[in-house]
Amino acid sequence: RKEVEQDPGPFNVPEGATVAFNCTYSNSASQSFFWYRQDCRKEPKLLMSVYSSGNEDGRFTAQLNRASQYISLLIRDSKLSDSATYLCVPKGGAGSYQLTFGKGTKLSVIP
Amino acid sequence: NAGVTQTPKFRVLKTGQSMTLLCAQDMNHEYMYWYRQDPGMGLRLIHYSVGEGTTAKGEVPDGYNVSRLKKQNFLLGLESAAPSQTSVYFCASSWQGNSPLHFGNGTRLTVT
Repeated sequence: RKEVEQDPGPFNVPEGATVAFNCTYSNSASQSFFWYRQDCRKEPKLLMSVYSSGNEDGRFTAQLNRASQYISLLIRDSKLSDSATYLCVPKGGAGSYQLTFGKGTKLSVIP
Repeated sequence: NAGVTQTPKFRVLKTGQSMTLLCAQDMNHEYMYWYRQDPGMGLRLIHYSVGEGTTAKGEVPDGYNVSRLKKQNFLLGLESAAPSQTSVYFCASSWQGNSPLHFGNGTRLTVT
């Protein structure tokens, strides 16, 4: 099983739609999780940090399911500006300094 | 506050040439990282550093060397460039080991 698995998409959704991405991880010791967004030919930028069961920030909600080892990202009321690739990043357990990036899920929001 | 700055932004090398990529951060972060990103491969960790004077290998370290002589700088060296090293290179830094990463704008390297 790969360390981080994401559905590559692309997810093509109309403006205003709700879309959800899942990310599964293999390291059960992972303690913190991040979602990044990456625009085409740009650097990844932090979208959300998840340290407990979940986090919500405006239209974005992240949920963590430790038992099943997956995290999800829900985007409500999609905007054209949400079009990007979303990267799931679980951090390793205690003493680990490495963050393993998933390959990302591409989202295209269509007018 | 510039954050993480990478130089150069673009570079074309011939096979066998050497070069150094510079990463500088002004956030007083302890941890610094070098990643490469290739189409369909995602971000892969090359080397990282947990503090001034320390370096460690990541997932794909072969063909690269790094140095962290000053806390704010993390250098990535290619001693003898190969076409397989054509990629986009991102530097990142973080406050602690479990903190999120702050990325530079990237360096697009082509080796012919």
